[in-house]
Amino acid sequence: SQQGEEDPQALSIQEGENATMNCSYKTSINNLQWYRQNSGRGLVHLILIRSNEREKHSGRLRVTLDTSKKSSSLLITASRAADTASYFCATGNYGQNFVFGPGTRLSVLP
Amino acid sequence: SAVISQKPSRDICQRGTSLTIQCQVDSQVTMMFWYRQQPGQSLTLIATANQGSEATYESGFVIDKFPISRPNLTFSTLTVSNMSPEDSSIYLCSVEPDRSSYEQYFGPGTRLTVT
Repeated sequence: SQQGEEDPQALSIQEGENATMNCSYKTSINNLQWYRQNSGRGLVHLILIRSNEREKHSGRLRVTLDTSKKSSSLLITASRAADTASYFCATGNYGQNFVFGPGTRLSVLP
Repeated sequence: SAVISQKPSRDICQRGTSLTIQCQVDSQVTMMFWYRQQPGQSLTLIATANQGSEATYESGFVIDKFPISRPNLTFSTLTVSNMSPEDSSIYLCSVEPDRSSYEQYFGPGTRLTVT
C-alpha cells in the first residue's frame, strides 16, 4: 500500500502562528497532493507536487517533498481562523488511483 | 479545474431502501471517481467510472451494492442499495479533467444517514 499517513492527527494553534503537517507514504509515487476539507464537506485541492520537485509555494502554503524519506510537509504561514479544517495528503502513481491518508484536523483559535 | 455539483446534499434514509446520488460536471471529463468517507475517517475509493464502459470497483465494493451509471461525459450516478446504518457516510464524486496533470477535483459531497 502507498497510503499516506498524516502527522499529527490533530493540531491546535493560535491565529497568526504557522502550522506544519506531515505526510509519510510507503512506496514510490509520481505525485503527492494536499487537500482541505471544511466541516465534512467536499475537498478543495490545494497543491500538487511531483516526484521530481522538492518544494512548491501557493500563497501562504508551502509544500516540500523528500522522496528519499518518503515524506511531505505542508506549512501554512500566518494562520487564520478560516484555515480551520481537515487536511489530507493523497499519493498517486502511474496507472494507479489516489490513496488518501487519515488527515490532520487543524484548529486555529482566534 | 472543474465545477462539480452533487444531489442530494444530504438525506436520511431507512434501512433496506436505496438512494441514488447524482454528480454533474460543468465540462466533459473522461475519468470520474466515487469515494466514501465514513464518520471521522479519510476517503476510500469505491469505483472509477469511465463513460462507455463498466465501472471498475475497488476491493471491498461490489456492483450489486453500489451500482454506478455513466451515461455521458458530464454525469454519473452512484446508488447505495439495501442500505444499513453502516452505510452512513459522506459520498463524494471527483473528476480528473486533465489526465496528464493528475489533479482531482471534488464535489461538495452527499451526507447520508441511514436509520
